[in-house]
Formats: sequence, structure tokens, C-alpha cells
Amino acid sequence: DAKTTQPPSMDCAEGRAANLPCNHSTISGNEYVYWYRQIHSQGPQYIIHGLKNNETNEMASLIITEDRKSSTLILPHATLRDTAVYYCIVRVAGGYSTLTFGKGTMLLVSP
Amino acid sequence: NAGVTQTPKFQVLKTGQSMTLQCAQDMNHNSMYWYRQDPGMGLRLIYYSASEGTTDKGEVPNGYNVSRLNKREFSLRLESAAPSQTSVYFCASTLGAANNEQFFGPGTRLTVL
Repeated sequence: DAKTTQPPSMDCAEGRAANLPCNHSTISGNEYVYWYRQIHSQGPQYIIHGLKNNETNEMASLIITEDRKSSTLILPHATLRDTAVYYCIVRVAGGYSTLTFGKGTMLLVSP
Repeated sequence: NAGVTQTPKFQVLKTGQSMTLQCAQDMNHNSMYWYRQDPGMGLRLIYYSASEGTTDKGEVPNGYNVSRLNKREFSLRLESAAPSQTSVYFCASTLGAANNEQFFGPGTRLTVL
């Protein structure tokens, strides 16, 4: 699986959009971009995934650049409960593969 | 649905002691996983079971054994605990091998003295 690079930490004001970047310049054509988050002391939680088109669900939006070398996770209206470590993961979909977690980005949402 | 449950939540062992961490899921998932997370680090895969009756090594399997008891349960055993195994252990499951979303349990915090 391709390696990802994320900033170690970011800050965001409550109610504002949080934009979390991820670099995956060595991504292959059959690899998806996944995002998980881990709130302190809890197990990770799936957020969203995508291949090349932008995706949106009830939690977040995922914007993938046209060359697929980077992506941005957007939390449109961050709340204090969104404070967590966010992991960007690249993996092959279809067939069997496991998740490889890096260190992620610690997002701190402040009042 | 309880989702993925893990027992115990906390455990303190002495070096050389053995113990089994239990994991169960009630979502009828086929695949189950064991991860460990050390302070300030991401999760690392220890073992996984793609389906009932099969188990495979992950990134850091040394010092551990697993048993897929049935479709619901996947246990992790430390035969002779070492201080290097002090960590938080997470169990997870997915519906199928290619499924998008892994569901995680709340974790077991293990300290080996």
C-alpha cells in the first residue's frame, strides 16, 4: 500500500470548517483513500473513503485531486466532539487487504 | 447491537504471566482483526482472521497467538507476557474481506510489569 503524509496537528474553531490534508503521491490506480478518526481512548471510527471522485456523507466530505496524489477531508462545521486523531490510509479495495495506520493528524477544535 | 465488545477493559500482568484477551462481534461479520497501539503511535496489526477457521499473521505477531473460536469470537493470547507488550489492544471486524468499513471495539489497556 502507498504511504501517506499528514501534518501532526491542526487547530480549528468550533463551527468553522476543518480541512485536513493528506499526501499520497505514490498511490496506485487501484488504491482507495480511507479516513478514520480516533477520539481519545476510544477505538478508531470509519469516516469516509473514495477512489477518484469527491465523496460526501453525513460526517464529512472527501476531496481528491485530479492526479490523486493528495486529498482533503472536510468537516463542514466542526464541533468540540470532533477533536480526535484523524488517519488517512491508502489501501487496495477488492481482494483481501488490511489497514495500515500512521500517526495521523491531531485535530483540536476549540470554543 | 452491541457491535464489537472486548474483555477485560484493563489488565495488569507480571512478566511471564499469561492471559487471553476476548473479542466478540454481533454483526455477523466474517473478518476479524487484532491491533495494538503504543503511546503516540498508530495501530499495528497483530493477527487477523479473514473468515471462520482461518488466521494469518499481521505486522507484529511475535509473542502472540490467536483463536477464531467461531464466527463471533476472536481471542488473542499472550503466553508469556513481556513489558514490551504493554499497550492498548483493539479488536475490529468487517463484513467481508473487501468491505470498506472496519468496526472497532473499545480496547483493552494492558500493563506488563
